Amino acid sequence: SQQGEEDPQALSIQEGENATMNCSYKTSINNLQWYRQNSGRGLVHLILIRSNEREKHSGRLRVTLDTSKKSSSLLITASRAADTASYFCATVEYGNKLVFGAGTILRVKS
Amino acid sequence: DVKVTQSSRYLVKRTGEKVFLECVQDMDHENMFWYRQDPGLGLRLIYFSYDVKMKEKGDIPEGYSVSREKKERFSLILESASTNQTSMYLCASSFTGQGYLGNTIYFGEGSWLTVV
Repeated sequence: SQQGEEDPQALSIQEGENATMNCSYKTSINNLQWYRQNSGRGLVHLILIRSNEREKHSGRLRVTLDTSKKSSSLLITASRAADTASYFCATVEYGNKLVFGAGTILRVKS
Repeated sequence: DVKVTQSSRYLVKRTGEKVFLECVQDMDHENMFWYRQDPGLGLRLIYFSYDVKMKEKGDIPEGYSVSREKKERFSLILESASTNQTSMYLCASSFTGQGYLGNTIYFGEGSWLTVV
């Protein structure tokens, strides 16, 4: 089952611009996580936000969570070419099982 | 640093062969997972394990089995490989606990399997 659904599916921006990706989910969650995947590689954990948190920052990343709308957003500020990757949101189901969405492909043009 | 190591990066196997994909983690994590990733379908969970000798089916277990004889090692087995199992396979691990990183999952680099 695909719990998290990212939007947009693909995003192309210029270096220096901000990139915003959205994620919606269906059921109650314990936490929501964002991961990044460079082409052909494994996923790397970016940030985790718990269900009782509304906003979290990590460097150029800002994540918000709206549990009433069952949605989250990931903002990357001042994007760089090296940010080009796929970004996935994931929610935790019972037993620490992560369920992933299909991802947003971000391309940052230099 | 947490390290999840998948033994093979690229494999080519013939239809009907038995295929083993090995995964080892060095952080004493209780939980281990196998996902497959296909274009447009995202990551889909095949099997996961909470402890040694424990396994639970994920969303797409058909055609696969797993083995966890030791805490650090989780093997994915394709009993009789078929062309529709051509995919990228990702192993992951996490520990069960509270705290900021309590639920973070650490991934290996992936194994590209082609079945011909």
